[in-house]
Amino acid sequence: EVQLVESGGGLVQPGGSLRLSCAASGFTFRSYEMNWVRQAPGKGLEWVSYISSSGGTVYYADSVTGRFTISRDNAKKSLFLQMNSLRAEDTAIYFCVRDSTVAGFDFWGQGTLVTVSS
Amino acid sequence: DIVMTQSPLSLPVTPGEPASISCKSSQSLLHSNGYNYLDWYLQKPGQSPQLLIYWASNRASGVPDRFSGSGSGTDFTLKISRVEAEDVGVYYCMQALQNSVSFGQGTKLEIK
Repeated sequence: EVQLVESGGGLVQPGGSLRLSCAASGFTFRSYEMNWVRQAPGKGLEWVSYISSSGGTVYYADSVTGRFTISRDNAKKSLFLQMNSLRAEDTAIYFCVRDSTVAGFDFWGQGTLVTVSS
Repeated sequence: DIVMTQSPLSLPVTPGEPASISCKSSQSLLHSNGYNYLDWYLQKPGQSPQLLIYWASNRASGVPDRFSGSGSGTDFTLKISRVEAEDVGVYYCMQALQNSVSFGQGTKLEIK
């Protein structure tokens, strides 16, 4: 069974940093591209970042470019999102998402809540 | 960036009746390989989103056949042939043609 379990969310002050993790199981993690997608409270879905299966290619939404860094450790079957210079508008549930490449974002984690507030 | 526009944003439906959601993109989603890079997702209340349709018209594994997707280029439609109570939630279209993926605003389906 495919599982994606996010962790690392919490309350942080504006300008602070947070590192999210996603532990993958039930599939060959190193073979899949991965994404982070977020959802602000009561709002829609916003794509945040993408990483290729090897980690050699990454993309970011304009709203987080220069502040967030996506990475992965295939040996540990883990995905990460380092978030710096956090702003109130970064407050959201962050989902770890498997990218099947040929058939959409086929598995989503349960999400971890990040709250940026003083 | 590609802008995705859904309509309606709210959709009250009587159980057993059909439902339809429109999704329009600001640029064509037709790839040179012949596929339209348009997916549909459903986020049920209190749950993470789940994939319904990929490449505009292909049902994901385990998705009931009452769900169907159609369209090409910039105009796409998700249809539910007979709505059931378990279909309530917010439906999103998403374009995956560009590296910068984008979602529609979401359509909230509710039961009358």
